[in-house]
Amino acid sequence: GENVEQHPSTLSVQEGDSAVIKCTYSDSASNYFPWYKQELGKRPQLIIDIRSNVGEKKDQRIAVTLNKTAKHFSLHITETQPEDSAVYFCAAILNTGGFKTIFGAGTRLFVKA
Amino acid sequence: DVKVTQSSRYLVKRTGEKVFLECVQDMDHENMFWYRQDPGLGLRLIYFSYDVKMKEKGDIPEGYSVSREKKERFSLILESASTNQTSMYLCASSSPETGGEKLFFGSGTQLSVL
Repeated sequence: GENVEQHPSTLSVQEGDSAVIKCTYSDSASNYFPWYKQELGKRPQLIIDIRSNVGEKKDQRIAVTLNKTAKHFSLHITETQPEDSAVYFCAAILNTGGFKTIFGAGTRLFVKA
Repeated sequence: DVKVTQSSRYLVKRTGEKVFLECVQDMDHENMFWYRQDPGLGLRLIYFSYDVKMKEKGDIPEGYSVSREKKERFSLILESASTNQTSMYLCASSSPETGGEKLFFGSGTQLSVL
């Protein structure tokens, strides 16, 4: 089955700096890669996603890149703000019915003001 | 807005008890999921269902069962609770009509088994 590894487990950056979180997946047939943000005490929410036929996607200060050959995908946050502090989860989906989502272990991001 | 409601925010049970965690979604979603969230392990899939009365095992189904008698409700059952089942349980739903892959999560149930 699919396995998703995520690094680092904790990331601390200064406000205004960039943050990068990296994930790898094992099943080359996975075709959808979402990123969820979970603020303290709240439910995870989708913030950005990328499909396997796209190499990069951007939405304001966040961007995702996908390297299908290497089975790597990354989340980039620029100009970080304190409200970006949260746990971020990458995930991979093999669309074979039921849309089973497999998550990475999560990255706790601290943005210091 | 999609609403996924989990019946309890906090639950304390004793070892050996039968525990029911309830999840209801109001958007007619076909797919429903149960995850458990543990520090350093992320969200691990326990069971999922893509139709009424259908269920599929996830990655960690041992010690759990599920029930989907109605489309909007997906129940997670711990037949005999054990201390290693102390965790945060998250229910989620999705539908092909809203992109299929996008998960909408409930607020979670923090279960403590003593």
